[in-house]
Amino acid sequence: DGGITQSPKYLFRKEGQNVTLSCEQNLNHDAMYWYRQDPGQGLRLIYYSQIVNDFQKGDIAEGYSVSREKKESFPLTVTSAQKNPTAFYLCASSIFSGVEQFFGPGTRLTVL
Amino acid sequence: SQELEQSPQSLIVQEGKNLTINCTSSKTLYGLYWYKQKYGEGLIFLMMLQKGGEEKSHEKITAKLDEKKQQSSLHITASQPSHAGIYLCGADDTMDSNYQLIWGAGTKLIIKP
Repeated sequence: DGGITQSPKYLFRKEGQNVTLSCEQNLNHDAMYWYRQDPGQGLRLIYYSQIVNDFQKGDIAEGYSVSREKKESFPLTVTSAQKNPTAFYLCASSIFSGVEQFFGPGTRLTVL
Repeated sequence: SQELEQSPQSLIVQEGKNLTINCTSSKTLYGLYWYKQKYGEGLIFLMMLQKGGEEKSHEKITAKLDEKKQQSSLHITASQPSHAGIYLCGADDTMDSNYQLIWGAGTKLIIKP
């Protein structure tokens, strides 16, 4: 079955530690995205990638980093520079821009 | 601030009743997407609207985009417990296809048995 997987589902980290969230897709989509979702707010774009080895900052990229070495994978690192990292993180992909995005199940990160 | 306004923020509906959720922008929208989210899970794509006046239906859910392409509504007929969740609208507010969508804050729908 084609789809997007994110791991882990829940993640706990101590303040000051970097943490990497995994996102893998087997839909053969060129574009991939990372969003952050906070209670009562819409999705906010962190980073997106249109193609392998290329990525662009979204609205709230500060304190985050990404890589896109393979078409299927788009990991997100939440660094210690992110002031308020506790949130629900969603990964998505699309064939290209201007079409629907398919979402993974999300990772809930809690920084203690 | 949200560029897409969704209303209402939350909605409690008796099972079997109809309901409508709205998504409004001050800008012309060039692609409007409706998604459903169960709490703590990913988003499930429902429908995409692009043309002014366009209407699409899937099972008991109908989505419309007004002629000015600034407002969309999602209508559920004869609501069921399976319709419960958070409904989000996302949109492309640029004429050129864009990777960056704007999003509403979501409408939380609760179905009372």
